Amino acid sequence: DQQVKQNSPSLSVQEGRISILNCDYTNSMFDYFLWYKKYPAEGPTFLISISSIKDKNEDGRFTVFLNKSAKHLSLHIVPSQPGDSAVYFCAASEVDDMRFGAGTRLTVKP
Amino acid sequence: NAGVMQNPRHLVRRRGQEARLRCSPMKGHSHVYWYRQLPEEGLKFMVYLQKENIIDESGMPKERFSAEFPKEGPSILRIQQVVRGDSAAYFCASSALAASGNTIYFGEGSWLTVV
Repeated sequence: DQQVKQNSPSLSVQEGRISILNCDYTNSMFDYFLWYKKYPAEGPTFLISISSIKDKNEDGRFTVFLNKSAKHLSLHIVPSQPGDSAVYFCAASEVDDMRFGAGTRLTVKP
Repeated sequence: NAGVMQNPRHLVRRRGQEARLRCSPMKGHSHVYWYRQLPEEGLKFMVYLQKENIIDESGMPKERFSAEFPKEGPSILRIQQVVRGDSAAYFCASSALAASGNTIYFGEGSWLTVV
């Protein structure tokens, strides 16, 4: 049972443009959401998070939006840079449980 | 200020051998999570432990896999009688409190190759 889904396995954008990564979840009990970034042969690193009491959280070039009614969250990166090329995982948690999506591979072309 | 430490980073085992993966959480963290990433797949939850307790092992295969987090020392993920399908990257993560509302931090991973 995939409680967290990232339906786009890959995304390619031009440097300077906006990257939008999407994530859907099914468990309405999730109350905290995170995005992680992963380079090959490294562990995932925390990027940004949002609590279910908010609908937006911004940190520099990264903004996460949460739509609770649609059970959908997205990560916006603007402007995109080549160094942003990585696999991005969304995660959702409730109490002691944290579940991850399958990841979206972002490629930012110079 | 060490992060989550995993060792070994790379491990090669023959079919039928045992694999032991170690994870030392970040200082002050008492919650440990193990995830597995199979080739071309995402992160799959395996087990969640606190000191001396397994809280949730719903993602652990029923056989050959076990995990512990003793009072002293690192958390250990043990795979007995490894098979080719066990080849994967195993990531450990830790948090100071339970997952909800808290960020979990990952180690660099342990890559198991079964030959």
